[in-house]
Amino acid sequence: GAVVSQHPSWVICKSGTSVKIECRSLDFQATTMFWYRQFPKQSLMLMATSNEGSKATYEQGVEKDKFLINHASLTLSTLTVTSAHPEDSSFYICSAIRDRDSPLHFGNGTRLTVT
Amino acid sequence: AQSVTQPDIHITVSEGASLELRCNYSYGATPYLFWYVQSPGQGLQLLLKYFSGDTLVQGIKGFEAEFKRSQSSFNLRKPSVHWSDAAEYFCAVEGGKLIFGQGTELSVKP
Repeated sequence: GAVVSQHPSWVICKSGTSVKIECRSLDFQATTMFWYRQFPKQSLMLMATSNEGSKATYEQGVEKDKFLINHASLTLSTLTVTSAHPEDSSFYICSAIRDRDSPLHFGNGTRLTVT
Repeated sequence: AQSVTQPDIHITVSEGASLELRCNYSYGATPYLFWYVQSPGQGLQLLLKYFSGDTLVQGIKGFEAEFKRSQSSFNLRKPSVHWSDAAEYFCAVEGGKLIFGQGTELSVKP
């Protein structure tokens, strides 16, 4: 079945640094990718929707200058957490879809810890 | 606006017992509804989905869910729970974007 690969699976960084998370669709071309954030024991909150070749659409309350999303190709989207702070520590999950009528596939998530 | 409510934050059932996880949604049109399962530190796996047609849908791992429009519900059921079913379960509604419920943590007693 379709696979979405997310890398890294976990990362620890120092406060003030930037971290890039990659989301790749391995066996299909993803016209749309979604980025979610999940706090411990909580639900997934949609951060942004990323369409290949265009600017991401951010959900209300998500800082677009802090969470930079790039969807440069049909198989790769990246989320960069800029100037990370401890409160950015969370579980970030991406998902990808080939087209509107196709199922959504999730990556295994990235655990970010900012010290 | 679309929304999903999972009233039960945590449920504990005995192995072999039946299970029902509740999900209520709010959406103006006929929704696309999903149930996902998440193991600790992992991504999400789709259990089943409802788009249209038969209101009782079968999924993987022996799960099923019934769409009841009159009650705006899409409850997940399993007749006999296995210890490996312990996980977090999310109901989701899709109307342009996928919105998740708060999740229900399932614990299974031996």
